[in-house]
Amino acid sequence: DVKVTQSSRYLVKRTGEKVFLECVQDMDHENMFWYRQDPGLGLRLIYFSYDVKMKEKGDIPEGYSVSREKKERFSLILESASTNQTSMYLCASSPYFGTGSHNEQFFGPGTRLTVL
Amino acid sequence: AQSVTQLDSQVPVFEEAPVELRCNYSSSVSVYLFWYVQYPNQGLQLLLKYLSGSTLVKGINGFEAEFNKSQTSFHLRKPSVHISDTAEYFCAVSEAPLNAGGTSYGKLTFGQGTILTVHP
Repeated sequence: DVKVTQSSRYLVKRTGEKVFLECVQDMDHENMFWYRQDPGLGLRLIYFSYDVKMKEKGDIPEGYSVSREKKERFSLILESASTNQTSMYLCASSPYFGTGSHNEQFFGPGTRLTVL
Repeated sequence: AQSVTQLDSQVPVFEEAPVELRCNYSSSVSVYLFWYVQYPNQGLQLLLKYLSGSTLVKGINGFEAEFNKSQTSFHLRKPSVHISDTAEYFCAVSEAPLNAGGTSYGKLTFGQGTILTVHP
C-alpha cells in the first residue's frame, strides 16, 4: 500500500521561529509537492521537486524554502514563521511524468500548523 | 496555465438523495481531470480521473463524473448519498503529456473545494 507520511499532525510555533515540516514517501516517486490548504482557497502549491536536490517554485513560495537531499524525503522550511503562515500543510508525491502515472498524486495526512 | 472553479462552496443534502458537485475548468491545452475527497482530519484521496476516451468516468464509493469538453466542465455525481460521504471534495486539472513537453512535472491545479454535508 502506498504511503506518504508527515512528521507531525499538529504543530504550534511562535512568531519568528524556524519551522521544519518533514515528508517521507515509500513509493520511490520522483516528484514531491508541498501545498498549503486554507478554507475557501483550496490547495495552493508552495514548492515541488522532480528529483533529488532539484526544486521549483510553485504559486506561493514567499516565506518558504525546501530541501530534498534524498529521494524519499522532502522538507518544507519556514525560515521565520509568521502568523499568516498558520495553515494546513499537505505533502504529495507522484511517479515520474510520462511513466503512465497520468499525474495522480498521493497525499499525506497533513500537518496543521499554528503560529502564535 | 489552467484554472479550476468549483461553483458551490457548500452543498447540504439529505441521505439517499442524489447529489451533483459542479466543476468548470479553463485551459488552452488538453488536460487530465481529477476529483479528490478529503474526509475530516485526513489527507486527500483520489475518487476518479479522466484521462481520455469515454467521457463518463466511474470512481470509488459509487461516484461518477462526466467530462464535457464543449462546456469545459467535469461535474461529480452520486445517485444516492450516505452519511459517510460527508467530506470536502476537490476538482483538479493538469496538463496532458502531449502538451506538456516534459516540463509540467505532473503539477495539479485545484479548485476551491466543495463541502458536502449529508443529513439524516
